[in-house]
Parts: sequence; C-alpha cells; structure tokens
Amino acid sequence: QITLKESGPMVVKPTQTLTLTCNFSGFSLTSNGVAVGWVRQSPGKGLEWLALIYWDDDKRYSLPLVNRLTIIKDTAKYQVVLTMTHMDPLDTGTYYCTHLTYDFKYYYYMDVWGKGTAVTVSS
Amino acid sequence: SSELTQPPSVSVSPGQTAKITCSGDVFPKKCVYWYQRKSGQAPVLVIYEDTKRPSGIPERFSGSTSGVVATLTITGAQVEDEADYYCYSTDRSHNPLFGDGTKLTVL
Repeated sequence: QITLKESGPMVVKPTQTLTLTCNFSGFSLTSNGVAVGWVRQSPGKGLEWLALIYWDDDKRYSLPLVNRLTIIKDTAKYQVVLTMTHMDPLDTGTYYCTHLTYDFKYYYYMDVWGKGTAVTVSS
Repeated sequence: SSELTQPPSVSVSPGQTAKITCSGDVFPKKCVYWYQRKSGQAPVLVIYEDTKRPSGIPERFSGSTSGVVATLTITGAQVEDEADYYCYSTDRSHNPLFGDGTKLTVL
C-alpha cells in the first residue's frame, strides 16, 4: 500500500524559505516509471502543480515558480524534499505530496495523495 | 500554452445526473483524469485513463471523451458527492496540468 505524509512548518514569515518533506512508503523512487510530485491549494483557488521528480532524478517545475523551487530525493530515506524561497502571503495554502505513475500512453498521473500540510505565510 | 477548461459550478438535486465537462486541446492525444476534493480532505482519484474507475469508487461515477471534450458523469448523484472536481492531464511539455475545478452542489 502506497502512503505519503507531508511535514513542515505551519507558519513561515514573508521572504523566508519554506522546506517541506514528503515521507513515503510502499514504493521505491528507484523503480522505473515512478515519480513524486507536489501540489498546492491556496484559499479560494484550485489545485496547482508545483514540481515533480522522476525515478531517474529528472526534475520538472511549474514555469511561474521555477526560480523559487527546488526538489530533491533521498531514496535511502524514502523522502522527497521541496524548498520554496521568498515566501509571500499568497503562498498560504495546503501543500500535498503525490505519487505518480504512467498510463498506457506513458504519460504520468497522480494516483495517490498525502493528506496535505497547511502552511500560513504571515509576519 | 495548454489549458483545461471546466465550468465553475454545476448544481443538481439528489438522484439526478450530474455532468462536468473538461475541454482541452491535449485531448484526445492524452488521457484525462478526474479528482474529487471534499472540503478539508485530500483529492481522490475517481476516474483514470478517460473511463476507468479505481477500486472503491462507486459505479455511479463514469468518464467519457469526445474529441477535445471529456465528461465526468455522476448518475444518481448523492449528497455525499458534493465536492470540487478537477480534471487533469499533461501539457505539451508532458508536465501536470489541472483544470480550474468545478464545484458540484447536490441539494
């Protein structure tokens, strides 16, 4: 059974850097065809994809946020870490970690989600 | 850039059929996925690869596609189906792409 759990600070100050950790189980990020991604939902807004990292260490970032995001994996610890710099109150929201696999056309989709962690950006 | 367009809201009475559309120029080349997000909960995959239902998802949920439009149908919608629904696919760079979401009201 695949599970993912997000952790990180509940509150960060504007301009600070946010570091979120995803601890997962039930799969290995060394296995072909697997990826882990981050998605957020800010109040009153929809789901927004942020970043993802593939089993082969290929990394992808949302274009509007590419200069602020870094994603890395620690396969031995079964962890993925996302950092977001220059936090702003508009970054307030719930951040989700997701497991991705590929479909029969070899495009990736999110099949399992963590429960999410709420982050508030406030001074 | 690629976009997935959904109606902001759909409203039905219990027992009626709810249809939520998602249009995008990535279809039909790429598959569509549908997520249900209830208030305060994480999203749940309810349809994958256009028409397939994960185990544990009620049979009243179904998916279909026609050209550049994908549709999530809830036949005999229940009050507990009230949620935000998001379609998903990948853009031309093969990166994740969500629709803006549709708020389904069942009352």
